[in-house]
Amino acid sequence: NAGVMQNPRHLVRRRGQEARLRCSPMKGHSHVYWYRQLPEEGLKFMVYLQKENIIDESGMPKERFSAEFPKEGPSILRIQQVVRGDSAAYFCASSLLDRGPFNYGYTFGSGTRLTVV
Amino acid sequence: DAKTTQPTSMDCAEGRAANLPCNHSTISGNEYVYWYRQIHSQGPQYIIHGLKNNETNEMASLIITEDRKSSTLILPHATLRDTAVYYCIDLSKGNQFYFGTGTSLTVIP
Repeated sequence: NAGVMQNPRHLVRRRGQEARLRCSPMKGHSHVYWYRQLPEEGLKFMVYLQKENIIDESGMPKERFSAEFPKEGPSILRIQQVVRGDSAAYFCASSLLDRGPFNYGYTFGSGTRLTVV
Repeated sequence: DAKTTQPTSMDCAEGRAANLPCNHSTISGNEYVYWYRQIHSQGPQYIIHGLKNNETNEMASLIITEDRKSSTLILPHATLRDTAVYYCIDLSKGNQFYFGTGTSLTVIP
């Protein structure tokens, strides 16, 4: 049973280009979370998605960032017109169930390191 | 933001027990406490979680105080590979894990 798969592992983009980060959750997991980690900082929540729905995007920057989790295929975090400040590690996590009363934890992927030059 | 408080850094001698404290004074009654660690910019790795009772697994033990306002993660025999940032997390704020700055544990040979 493969874990959470993220690709690419490393991504280099020039300023103004678009970055697309992919996350395939663990088999059977229908909840996906994206986190960003700036250099020398902790992980910051960005967005929580279920299949075809954005549940909580309170951590997403208002502009240039979007996320989706289609019925088929991986979750995509899309950054348009990247700037140097977008350089960071982006981690995806998945879980089996909504938090609810059951308190299931997350499984994280290995991350995508985005470098904007 | 994270509602847990942890020391910024700790050292531990190899082979000794590492005891990492965490304060989570605002945790709700039905919220678990989770511990994760991050080794050198890898994805966070689940360690253990608990609600009220002490827990033990193959990686660590978790001691939760009776009032649930604090807990201690214990790595019984620390190795060099346990050098990492350790995060104590509660889910009081909602559906997401909020990571603070964690404790940077350095295991010394």
